[in-house]
Amino acid sequence: QSALTQPASVSGSPGQSITISCTGTSSDIGGYNHVSWHQQHPGKAPKLIICDVSNRPSGVSTRFSGSKSGNTASLTISGLQAEDEADYYCSSFTSSRLYVFGTGTKVTVL
Amino acid sequence: EVQLVQSGAEVKKPGESLKISCKGSGYIFTSYWIGWVRQTPGKGLEWMGIIFPVNSDTKYNSPFQGQVTISADKSISTAYLQWSGLEASDTAMYYCAIALNGKFYWDYWGQGTLVAVSS
Repeated sequence: QSALTQPASVSGSPGQSITISCTGTSSDIGGYNHVSWHQQHPGKAPKLIICDVSNRPSGVSTRFSGSKSGNTASLTISGLQAEDEADYYCSSFTSSRLYVFGTGTKVTVL
Repeated sequence: EVQLVQSGAEVKKPGESLKISCKGSGYIFTSYWIGWVRQTPGKGLEWMGIIFPVNSDTKYNSPFQGQVTISADKSISTAYLQWSGLEASDTAMYYCAIALNGKFYWDYWGQGTLVAVSS
């Protein structure tokens, strides 16, 4: 199972919106509505911010939103803030009944 | 409060064996899948495998099949990740995680265990 493909880096100014893509196949993203997104700050454990494509766990800012079309999922961060600077990873359930992560995207707030 | 507490950092030599742990508390340990994730220095996250503690049903992602062993001791609410012969390439941070509030996403994570393998 190959890693899902994400852009290596995305940047934006405070207040702007940015979108991170996550491309897989019909055996993972395209086949299931079980895409999640994790945020990871340096030296910290990953934190779940989106589950099942577009749901936000309790306590996660409404500035984070998720969607999916075909084999590609997307994470949008609106009203970008300095605290959003981190690495972001998508993940999907797969036809092997296991999971796969994306390659990761570093978000920089200019 | 749900917690996953992992064992401390390890420094090992190539060829040595190692077993690291992940102790769950604040939830019913046997009712939820536990996963292990590797993060190599400066690189991304990789799913290694998952275990269902009630019956030790275990699944490995192909790169890790035969390279590590995932186990669990439900009597002490602890999951394990072990190697029989470490290699330098095993140097990484290892995280455990559980899918508590949904079957298909991982919402609680341990703090990570750093494993360094060097001669």
